[in-house]
Amino acid sequence: DVKVTQSSRYLVKRTGEKVFLECVQDMDHENMFWYRQDPGLGLRLIYFSYDVKMKEKGDIPEGYSVSREKKERFSLILESASTNQTSMYLCASTQEGDLGPDTQYFGPGTRLTVL
Amino acid sequence: AQSVTQPDIHITVSEGASLELRCNYSYGATPYLFWYVQSPGQGLQLLLKYFSGDTLVQGIKGFEAEFKRSQSSFNLRKPSVHWSDAAEYFCAVGARGGADGLTFGKGTHLIIQP
Repeated sequence: DVKVTQSSRYLVKRTGEKVFLECVQDMDHENMFWYRQDPGLGLRLIYFSYDVKMKEKGDIPEGYSVSREKKERFSLILESASTNQTSMYLCASTQEGDLGPDTQYFGPGTRLTVL
Repeated sequence: AQSVTQPDIHITVSEGASLELRCNYSYGATPYLFWYVQSPGQGLQLLLKYFSGDTLVQGIKGFEAEFKRSQSSFNLRKPSVHWSDAAEYFCAVGARGGADGLTFGKGTHLIIQP
């Protein structure tokens, strides 16, 4: 089974801190994604990456950056955390199949609280 | 730009009754469509997906969905719900099968009455 793991289930940080959220997948997937999930808003795409050292902005990239130095690892960085970044963050990965990209597999999520 | 609308924020169904969750999408080409379920405290799990071919797709846990291009809809159905189906359900659309990320609806919260 595909496994997507995230470094923390719960995280509490202070305003202005630099925050790193780590995601690792164990199935050699090319594509990786970061979403945030907020009540009443569903999931919104922050950034994605289709290869090592490649990144693309999603729908809400402001206030975030990402890093992908190794194929299996995709990090989300909050350069200076703010209270409006309090949210659930979900990482996902997907593989290129014969018919194109396949199912996105999600990690369990990191619930970040910024005080 | 693509978008997904789930008109029902909450739905309450009696155990054993049938279920239909609505999903409407906006997308310029043939869409790749997905239904995910999120149980309390859990990550998202794929129920089913539609890429092409038969417009009625079967998924896990007894769910099915029908793609109707003329109505831009991809409604999720189950003939008889179980208490364990109580969860949040998300419909999503993606270009290139989701390689550029998915656009999700806001979700439908399903409550099961005994």
